Amino acid sequence: SQTIHQWPATLVQPVGSPLSLECTVEGTSNPNLYWYRQAAGRGLQLLFYSVGIGQISSEVPQNLSASRPQDRQFILSSKKLLLSDSGFYLCAWQSGGQGNTEAFFGQGTRLTVV
Amino acid sequence: GEDVEQSLFLSVREGDSSVINCTYTDSSSTYLYWYKQEPGAGLQLLTYIFSNMDMKQDQRLTVLLNKKDKHLSLRIADTQTGDSAIYFCAETPLPDYKLSFGAGTTVTVRA
Repeated sequence: SQTIHQWPATLVQPVGSPLSLECTVEGTSNPNLYWYRQAAGRGLQLLFYSVGIGQISSEVPQNLSASRPQDRQFILSSKKLLLSDSGFYLCAWQSGGQGNTEAFFGQGTRLTVV
Repeated sequence: GEDVEQSLFLSVREGDSSVINCTYTDSSSTYLYWYKQEPGAGLQLLTYIFSNMDMKQDQRLTVLLNKKDKHLSLRIADTQTGDSAIYFCAETPLPDYKLSFGAGTTVTVRA
């Protein structure tokens, strides 16, 4: 069966520090991978989208970057965190293809920048 | 802001029906989805509808699709306290089927 792992679950980081959030998927190959951010309150903003290794689409200009060094690994990074980077970050995967399949979400990372 | 639009809040009495509305952007979207997010958790797929359908029913859930108006709704019959959550509609428009969500509707069920 397919599973998705996202860690850490919570993170408190000072302003200006680096960030690395990792997401891995098991039990599937060549998935579409997503990073979303949900700001305090709600709203689900698509940050990055990847259809394959090394292929990253950035949806909004920001202080973050993403990388996909392996087929089932998706990493969200920042060199210097801002207060506005606080939020709930969700990784998701979906079978590559025609958009007709369920997306599966990790449990999320609660990031607080102080 | 999000391209998929939803009403932000809905309060409903336990036992009544809830109706959550969504307007999506792209008529090329072949599938449209409803996801549920409980507090502090990720999203889970509730139901979906193929774009050539007008309605889909799944136990207490009824999805209605008006493709002409790009309007999607989710009706929850006999709403329970466990239905309190944020509900997101989502689409996967061409050409890359990128999964895009609305802002979410927070449903609060009161006794």
